[in-house]
Amino acid sequence: EPEVTQTPSHQVTQMGQEVILRCVPISNHLYFYWYRQILGQKVEFLVSFYNNEISEKSEIFDDQFSVERPDGSNFTLKIRSTKLEDSAMYFCASSRQGAAGNTIYFGEGSWLTVV
Amino acid sequence: DAKTTQPPSMDCAEGRAANLPCNHSTISGNEYVYWYRQIHSQGPQYIIHGLKNNETNEMASLIITEDRKSSTLILPHATLRDTAVYYCIVRVAMNSGYSTLTFGKGTMLLVSP
Repeated sequence: EPEVTQTPSHQVTQMGQEVILRCVPISNHLYFYWYRQILGQKVEFLVSFYNNEISEKSEIFDDQFSVERPDGSNFTLKIRSTKLEDSAMYFCASSRQGAAGNTIYFGEGSWLTVV
Repeated sequence: DAKTTQPPSMDCAEGRAANLPCNHSTISGNEYVYWYRQIHSQGPQYIIHGLKNNETNEMASLIITEDRKSSTLILPHATLRDTAVYYCIVRVAMNSGYSTLTFGKGTMLLVSP
């Protein structure tokens, strides 16, 4: 069964460093998402991406964050200057279409620890 | 904010059916009900979704009331591996017309031997 894959599974970084989290969405999917979950808290929406553009973003997704689809298969989340509060599990997700009837599938996550 | 209300926790004996309720009294006519689950800190796993009709797949059944104000997820024969947090989500269209997922706190289902 096709799945969303994410790398790395765990990354430890120094505060202020740049981090890039990588994702390979399901191959025939056109809509891509990033969510995050701070330990013990809810899963939160960050951003959605379609046709090489951000289609929607939350308040969390500020100027420190950016997303990119550098080639035909990868989808990345970059955090320019990490802060302690960026420590969280980051989930990439994808769906074939963006409408509500199309299922969003999640990867297993990248656990980011900022020290 | 999530448009759903779920009990914070439920227990179920292994082999029995687990019935997880969800209230979504403000759901609109074009909004779907989705169920996901999360085991430990793994990625949310899709279970099932529906609009108006009851749905069944290899994992579960979804029963939606006629007025669509509530639904029940049924795991017909719960196993220990079904212990997880279960999220009932009403999928809402964003301003852009696309639709994402807003997670609440979910129901922690504990399946015991």
